[in-house]
Amino acid sequence: EIVLTQSPATLSLSPGERATLSCRASQSISTLLAWYQLKPGQTPRLLIYDASNRVTGVPAKFSGSGSGTDFTLTISSLEPEDFALYYCQHRSNRPWTFGQGTKVEIK
Amino acid sequence: EVHLLESGGDLIQPGGSLRLSCAASGFTFGTYAFSWVRQAPGKGLEWVSAISATADVTYYGDSVQGRFTVSRDNSKNTLYLQMNSLTADDTAVYHCATHHSSGAYFQHWGQGTLVTVSS
Repeated sequence: EIVLTQSPATLSLSPGERATLSCRASQSISTLLAWYQLKPGQTPRLLIYDASNRVTGVPAKFSGSGSGTDFTLTISSLEPEDFALYYCQHRSNRPWTFGQGTKVEIK
Repeated sequence: EVHLLESGGDLIQPGGSLRLSCAASGFTFGTYAFSWVRQAPGKGLEWVSAISATADVTYYGDSVQGRFTVSRDNSKNTLYLQMNSLTADDTAVYHCATHHSSGAYFQHWGQGTLVTVSS
């Protein structure tokens, strides 16, 4: 099973700041990684697929990068609605697993 | 608009069985692969099971293999998860989710149904 490790667990930032979230895979997964946003009371929202492709309708402030074992989700300038939980997930092989999440909170 | 509505969650004793349903609307159900994804209280997301668009292929996570069975009825736009031999570790909110066109990423999610396994 591929383990995805997200860091940091919590990111405390102010609106307008840049957020950089990391996801590291226990073995190479090429670019087969997605990022999700999860807010209380809402269903997860798929943001990025295949490491760097934004889902239709996702704002350009969200960008993904990386390949192999190291991946990054960047939010260029945080807005109030961006403070949430973020998960990465791979589809390299089964079982498809998620990271443990990074909480982006208001500083 | 894509709409997924899970049902069937309940309080069940260890060793019991339960069948979850996921009713879909707003899209062509029979063209999408689906997964079940669960979230235990205070925990992260865990992929449980997947089924292809035509139901010819199914996959399961190691923790549910041999106990859970995923199925679908494309004539009723409904996905199912039959859960047997339930344990406390199966306590979670269960979501159904469509696969993205690129593969096993989960694009549209239902709100979930709570399964509690306890005596």
